[in-house]
Amino acid sequence: DSGVTQTPKHLITATGQRVTLRCSPRSGDLSVYWYQQSLDQGLQFLIQYYNGEERAKGNILERFSAQQFPDLHSELNLSSLELGDSALYFCASSPQTGASLNYGYTFGSGTRLTVV
Amino acid sequence: DAKTTQPPSMDCAEGRAANLPCNHSTISGNEYVYWYRQIHSQGPQYIIHGLKNNETNEMASLIITEDRKSSTLILPHATLRDTAVYYCIVGQGGKLIFGQGTELSVKP
Repeated sequence: DSGVTQTPKHLITATGQRVTLRCSPRSGDLSVYWYQQSLDQGLQFLIQYYNGEERAKGNILERFSAQQFPDLHSELNLSSLELGDSALYFCASSPQTGASLNYGYTFGSGTRLTVV
Repeated sequence: DAKTTQPPSMDCAEGRAANLPCNHSTISGNEYVYWYRQIHSQGPQYIIHGLKNNETNEMASLIITEDRKSSTLILPHATLRDTAVYYCIVGQGGKLIFGQGTELSVKP
């Protein structure tokens, strides 16, 4: 157990639907990162939050959004789902952010999303 | 885009040292070199990171060249459970951009 909890582990939904993926960071970690891993794209950085504020954005589609709550858990919302959104979605956490980072990220075990 | 170049695949005999190279010729002075691995479809696992000096922990050693343009991850006694995709990443905190990594196969 890495200490980063992602729910649900598996999700099957239809095209056009909306889903919410949840991530609880490791205790004490303030930064949360979301990554998408599909077969043909590798691990793609989506977005980072630090202590409730958005810090960095990657290749995140407009149909996707995220937030980090006061208790530091984060949610990734995916809407108007398409077949191509089928992927593993990973959340990672770290104690801090910026140039003084002295720690690696801790990843969760991921949510496998299948859009049918 | 990823700022590192790694061979797509490597083989290693069980019990031998696995040496995984990484080129990062455009690394800047305050950027760290990180190594992660991903076993099958599990979440990536942090291995080690360094800035200038060589580093060692219970999992591996990281050798960074003096000009910092390349590095080598060393697994001293590879086991079958070390079969995974190994990612070399350059960054200074915040988002880490993963490349395609090296698929290491440890064979009996």
